[in-house]
Amino acid sequence: DADVTQTPRNRITKTGKRIMLECSQTKGHDRMYWYRQDPGLGLRLIYYSFDVKDINKGEISDGYSVSRQAQAKFSLSLESAIPNQTALYFCATSDRLGQGYNEQFFGPGTRLTVL
Amino acid sequence: AQKVTQAQTEISVVEKEDVTLDCVYETRDTTYYLFWYKQPPSGELVFLIRRNSFDEQNEISGRYSWNFQKSTSSFNFTITASQVVDSAVYFCALSVETSGSRLTFGEGTQLTVNP
Repeated sequence: DADVTQTPRNRITKTGKRIMLECSQTKGHDRMYWYRQDPGLGLRLIYYSFDVKDINKGEISDGYSVSRQAQAKFSLSLESAIPNQTALYFCATSDRLGQGYNEQFFGPGTRLTVL
Repeated sequence: AQKVTQAQTEISVVEKEDVTLDCVYETRDTTYYLFWYKQPPSGELVFLIRRNSFDEQNEISGRYSWNFQKSTSSFNFTITASQVVDSAVYFCALSVETSGSRLTFGEGTQLTVNP
C-alpha cells in the first residue's frame, strides 16, 4: 500500500461548490504539506502543518483552508471553488528531525477541475 | 525569501545524447538543502537527490550526475546517455534550515527523449 494517499484522485466540480481533498499517510511523519501544481509554475505551497496543533499558511493560501484531524490526516478545503483553482494538488509528508534536511514524500496527486 | 529558477522550460534530445538541466537558486541563509525530483508522465513525484550547502562534492549515480557550485548558486543535473524512460518533468527545489522542511520549487523542465 502507498505511504501517502490522496482522495479523490480526480474531481470535476462547479464554481461555487465546496470541496474537500483528503490526505492520509502511514509514514508516521509529523509534518504534512499541501501544494498545487500549475503548468510553468512548478509546485507552490498552500498550507503546511508541523504537528496537529501547528498549522501555517504557505505562499498561496487565499481561497483555501485546512484541517489536521490527526497526525496521519491532513485535509484541504476549497470553500467556494473558482475556475483558477483548477490544478493538480499534491499532499506531502516529511520527518521532523533535521530541519530542512529531510526529503518530502508525495502522494499521487488529485487533479481538480472547476468549471 | 527563497527562489529557484529553471530557465529551460522544455528540452528535447535524441536517445543516447547527454543532457544537462540547469538550476539556479537564491537564498540568504547559509544552511540550506537542494533537491531534485522527477515527475514522469504518470504524475507522481520521485525524489532523486539531496545536497546540503556545506557539501559541494559532485555526485554520480549511474547515468545521473549532479554539479553543485555555490559560487554560481547552481545545482545542475546531467543525464548521460539518455533513454526514453528519462522523459519526465524535472524539478529543482530548495529548503532552508530556518523554515523547517518547506520546499521552494523551480518551474520545472520538461525533458523529452526521442527514440
